[in-house]
Amino acid sequence: NAGVTQTPKFRVLKTGQSMTLLCAQDMNHEYMYWYRQDPGMGLRLIHYSVGEGTTAKGEVPDGYNVSRLKKQNFLLGLESAAPSQTSVYFCASSNPRGTDTEAFFGQGTRLTVV
Amino acid sequence: ILNVEQSPQSLHVQEGDSTNFTCSFPSSNFYALHWYRWETAKSPEALFVMTLNGDEKKKGRISATLNTKEGYSYLYIKGSQPEDSATYLCALYSGSRLTFGEGTQLTVNP
Repeated sequence: NAGVTQTPKFRVLKTGQSMTLLCAQDMNHEYMYWYRQDPGMGLRLIHYSVGEGTTAKGEVPDGYNVSRLKKQNFLLGLESAAPSQTSVYFCASSNPRGTDTEAFFGQGTRLTVV
Repeated sequence: ILNVEQSPQSLHVQEGDSTNFTCSFPSSNFYALHWYRWETAKSPEALFVMTLNGDEKKKGRISATLNTKEGYSYLYIKGSQPEDSATYLCALYSGSRLTFGEGTQLTVNP
């Protein structure tokens, strides 16, 4: 049972380059999230999705775009990478209701923008 | 932006000590409060999901309480062990968004 899988695990980009991070979950979860983790700042929500075809902005959405064309996949795009986007990115998924709303996380993607 | 705050930011204890951390959150639009354990080089893993005022949950030596009226939750670790060293995160679930605090980094010295 794979759970939540992020691709790639590591990436180095030059300023101005673009890339897409892929998150895939096999638990049939409705909700998916993208976070970035920076030292001393915990996990900050970039974008999230409450279902296929829907996305919403989180706390720090600028410079990122997302798409949820299929329920199991949530893509995070950087159109023109900046050094300020150097971070570790985590994807998570969850069920929306009841007592089983805990999030399941991917293993993270370490992105360096030079 | 929902303000979820955790204290202390970091904590060093000796093996065998009992300890506790605090998570405070706005009490409006409350759906659930989550606690996660995050070990270095791994991903966060859920400890507890708490939904009702007065909830108390326990898993081994770790327990948590919830007060939704005043907007706080406590996490307790009894008889800390070196393997308890990790960052402990709380997160406020509002029914769609999941907003994390900055975490409490616990180090248990043998």
